[in-house]
Amino acid sequence: KAGVTQTPRYLIKTRGQQVTLSCSPISGHRSVSWYQQTPGQGLQFLFEYFSETQRNKGNFPGRFSGRQFSNSRSEMNVSTLELGDSALYLCASSADGISGNTIYFGEGSWLTVV
Amino acid sequence: TQLLEQSPQFLSIQEGENLTVYCNSSSVFSSLQWYRQEPGEGPVLLVTVVTGGEVKKLKRLTFQFGDARKDSSLHITAAQTGDTGLYLCAGAISGNTGKLIFGQGTTLQVKP
Repeated sequence: KAGVTQTPRYLIKTRGQQVTLSCSPISGHRSVSWYQQTPGQGLQFLFEYFSETQRNKGNFPGRFSGRQFSNSRSEMNVSTLELGDSALYLCASSADGISGNTIYFGEGSWLTVV
Repeated sequence: TQLLEQSPQFLSIQEGENLTVYCNSSSVFSSLQWYRQEPGEGPVLLVTVVTGGEVKKLKRLTFQFGDARKDSSLHITAAQTGDTGLYLCAGAISGNTGKLIFGQGTTLQVKP
């Protein structure tokens, strides 16, 4: 059974640009969450999607957005990039996102903003 | 604000020693998961504990969920150099779909 797949693995962007990251969850999983990991803040929850709807949201500015498609694949977008957006962005999938169900992570997308 | 305090943040030990990592919170979690993360990679799930007082063993690793479901511990017996890495605890709160509250992580170095 394939794991959580994230693309691209590494990317470099310039301040002010936007970026789109992609995530394919484990087959059969319908909940996809996104996290940002930085050395200073650790892992922080961005948002969760289930059945193409954003169901939960963390405390990030509106520049961070996402969507989910009918096949459960998800994308997240960051607009007007800032230097502080440099981070490892992790996608996680679970069967239905209900607490108690195990959440599995992808390998992440490393974003560097210069 | 829900917080999960993980300690110690850094641990450097000799191969063969035992160690324990702790995660504590004032919040009640419906489940708690432990992950291990290698540099540049995503967290890899080690275990999920759901029931208060639950103890799970994974070879030399023993995980315990507190009776009140507010704390957890990871005990490693006879550590090996291959255990080196970042260990993360993460709690799920009932009703908070898809969201895990992460501890700050414990960086473990096992020296030969």
